[in-house]
Amino acid sequence: AQSVTQLGSHVSVSEGALVLLRCNYSSSVPPYLFWYVQYPNQGLQLLLKYTSAATLVKGINGFEAEFKKSETSFHLTKPSAHMSDAAEYFCAVSDNTGRRALTFGSGTRLQVQP
Amino acid sequence: DTEVTQTPKHLVMGMTNKKSLKCEQHMGHRAMYWYKQKAKKPPELMFVYSYEKLSINESVPSRFSPECPNSSLLNLHLHALQPEDSALYLCASSPGQGDKYGYTFGSGTRLTVV
Repeated sequence: AQSVTQLGSHVSVSEGALVLLRCNYSSSVPPYLFWYVQYPNQGLQLLLKYTSAATLVKGINGFEAEFKKSETSFHLTKPSAHMSDAAEYFCAVSDNTGRRALTFGSGTRLQVQP
Repeated sequence: DTEVTQTPKHLVMGMTNKKSLKCEQHMGHRAMYWYKQKAKKPPELMFVYSYEKLSINESVPSRFSPECPNSSLLNLHLHALQPEDSALYLCASSPGQGDKYGYTFGSGTRLTVV
């Protein structure tokens, strides 16, 4: 089954600094990859998705991610962090075998310091 | 309408109670999902309904029973739950199953079993 690994359960940045959240996937074929954000006591909101059309994917709220097949990575970045970016971020892969549903990474909590 | 609506938002139930969680979408999506999310953990798949056919995560106890009355509605019936079943229950939908579109999530039902 396909899976994703998120490196770093907590990331802390200063407001205005670069945000980098790491995600690596394990798949023998290029998967569909997603980044979701979850604010406290809320559901998950789709930030962006990779579906093989372009390796650099732009999403909402100024986030983007680059699919690198050679590194099996799909890291999420934002040039300048805002206080409102503080949340839990999940990388996910679409499992095209078995139950054919999204499988999530363990999550990374982003803190933004003033 | 681009939302997934879940009711109730909060539920407290005793271990001998029977209750139901409801989920509704009017986006014409043909796949709907139930996920369970414990605190500080990623969502875990419980059930998938695709074109009104059920796929089950075999590890889900029988005290959870899904029902899909039609393609827009998804219920989760709860019976004889245990305190460890306390969690955030998330419903999601997608245009198709195991596809590249990503999911639209509801805001969840916070369940507490006492």
